[in-house]
Amino acid sequence: DAGVIQSPRHEVTEMGQEVTLRCKPISGHNSLFWYRQTMMRGLELLIYFNNNVPIDDSGMPEDRFSAKMPNASFSTLKIQPSEPRDSAVYFCASSFRMEEKLFFGSGTQLSVL
Amino acid sequence: RKEVEQDPGPFNVPEGATVAFNCTYSNSASQSFFWYRQDCRKEPKLLMSVYSSGNEDGRFTAQLNRASQYISLLIRDSKLSDSATYLCVVKGGRRALTFGSGTRLQVQP
Repeated sequence: DAGVIQSPRHEVTEMGQEVTLRCKPISGHNSLFWYRQTMMRGLELLIYFNNNVPIDDSGMPEDRFSAKMPNASFSTLKIQPSEPRDSAVYFCASSFRMEEKLFFGSGTQLSVL
Repeated sequence: RKEVEQDPGPFNVPEGATVAFNCTYSNSASQSFFWYRQDCRKEPKLLMSVYSSGNEDGRFTAQLNRASQYISLLIRDSKLSDSATYLCVVKGGRRALTFGSGTRLQVQP
């Protein structure tokens, strides 16, 4: 299995620009999670989906962040407009069921200048 | 109070040493507990689940104390390759997994 695939691996953008992060979960997994990691706050859950439906988006920082899962094999996390404080590593993870172990992608290192 | 709290370390230990990490959680209704390992600039990976009766996997032992709301990870005979950040993870109710900030371990030759 290819594992969870995220793209891009690195993204450098300027403040105010739109950023779109992409994730392909492991085939057959029906739960998908977006996490953000910084030195200050550690790993924070932003949003998670079960069977393509958003279950809990209480971790999404503000309206500038949005996430979609149009089908079982693809999800996006969008930041518009981006700000320097959004700089972090964004991880996507998937699991067979919500309570089971997570498999993480390699992450997207986002730098907003 | 944070949902999951860990001592950030770093724990600097010599090869062959035994080291233990603790983690406390605030939600008494938490049901599932895990330890994940994260290497520098890599994604977290599951190290082991934590069962009520305690469990062992080679040099690693995990224990759960529900009364005091903490879990622990014991590493025996530390190897250089054990150097990493160890993340305590808790699941309670309908919420997804909540990660602690991690404890950094550095095993020295």
